[in-house]
Amino acid sequence: GPKVLQIPSHQIIDMGQMVTLNCDPVSNHLYFYWYKQILGQQMEFLVNFYNGKVMEKSKLFKDQFSVERPDGSYFTLKIQPTALEDSAVYFCASSPHRGLTGQLYFGEGSKLTVL
Amino acid sequence: QQQVRQSPQSLTVWEGETAILNCSYENSAFDYFPWYQQFPGEGPALLISILSVSNKKEDGRFTIFFNKREKKLSLHIADSQPGDSATYFCAASAHYGNEKITFGAGTKLTIKP
Repeated sequence: GPKVLQIPSHQIIDMGQMVTLNCDPVSNHLYFYWYKQILGQQMEFLVNFYNGKVMEKSKLFKDQFSVERPDGSYFTLKIQPTALEDSAVYFCASSPHRGLTGQLYFGEGSKLTVL
Repeated sequence: QQQVRQSPQSLTVWEGETAILNCSYENSAFDYFPWYQQFPGEGPALLISILSVSNKKEDGRFTIFFNKREKKLSLHIADSQPGDSATYFCAASAHYGNEKITFGAGTKLTIKP
């Protein structure tokens, strides 16, 4: 089936540093998402993105977070500066449409460890 | 505050039995309930879903039972197979949308041969 690729699979950084998580969505998909999962807890919605703009974001999407997809390349989540509580697995997802016609396809996750 | 709760946290059943995974929610605006299946090292994948206008949805060995009045639903996996061993997430969204899905914490299912 359609694949969403995430790079890196695991990254360890020191608190205060910047990190960029990359997502290669399914080729014809137009809507993109980031979810955050802390170990043992549920996945939580961070942000969705369409046509170069953030459509909706949650309270977890702090000011230190940003997303972009320059020129149809990777859909990225940047955290600058990172904090200890940012340690989690971040899942990227994409879908071709909004609503029920647009099934979400998830990547395998990028595990971020902030020391 | 957890808006979508799942139980049990983990479940073990024998091959051939029916596994029952439970889910409840709080937000009355939720009207779309997908279940996602996740294998270790992979991302979640949509397994089956139901709209709040229905009380049952079947897809092969997988059936969702939905009780809107009690805000509860369950996933039944009939004739369970070792390959069904995975973590199952109950999820919900409002306005029949997939743009912002609220997930439960998951049930880790193990099928013993």
